[in-house]
Amino acid sequence: SYELTQPPSVSVSPGQTARITCSGDALSKQYVYWYQQRPGQAPVLVIYEDSERPSGIPGRFSGSTSGTTVTLTISGVQAEDEADYYCRSADSSGTWVFGGGTKLTIL
Amino acid sequence: EVQLVESGGGLVQPGGSLKLSCAASGFSFSGSAVHWVRQASGKGLEWIGRLGSKATTYATSYAGPVKGRFTISRDDSKNTASLQMNSLKTEDTAIYYCVLYDNSVDYWGQGTLVTVSS
Repeated sequence: SYELTQPPSVSVSPGQTARITCSGDALSKQYVYWYQQRPGQAPVLVIYEDSERPSGIPGRFSGSTSGTTVTLTISGVQAEDEADYYCRSADSSGTWVFGGGTKLTIL
Repeated sequence: EVQLVESGGGLVQPGGSLKLSCAASGFSFSGSAVHWVRQASGKGLEWIGRLGSKATTYATSYAGPVKGRFTISRDDSKNTASLQMNSLKTEDTAIYYCVLYDNSVDYWGQGTLVTVSS
């Protein structure tokens, strides 16, 4: 098993760009998935396979990768984007690993 | 519309057992892998285990803290999955989510709360 590391918190003002990173040794070989979790709600998939967006997810959400670090970018942040964000990957046996989560605060 | 509904949560004493259920609709259940993920209050997401589809000969894997105590099963004819939890500990207290994964996309239920306390 391996670990995924996220910053505990990120703060941005409305309309600005938020970037949340996720680092892990295996990420150069495995896809990363990103989830948004608003308080009291179940997680929702916002990015899959590093940079693909599921239907219904706004275009301001995007993902990118560089070596062993992947980044979730939210452009033109809105108040409704305030939430916890988790990255997730998997090893070759299908075991899932989650990052510790990042709390996005809109100032 | 994809819907996943978990049920079966509640209060159980340490050492006891509980079985959670997950009912799916609006989705190709039989072709999906079933995962269970839990979240303790104020904490992050913790993967518990998975049960693959028939195409993977129903391969299973479990996280270390639950291996030997928890068992995932499925009934493709009823579009349902279950999580049997035995020898429960206080640290198993959490919201439990059923997750269906197919073709790189996953869907989550609303979760069901399990409280292990005397």
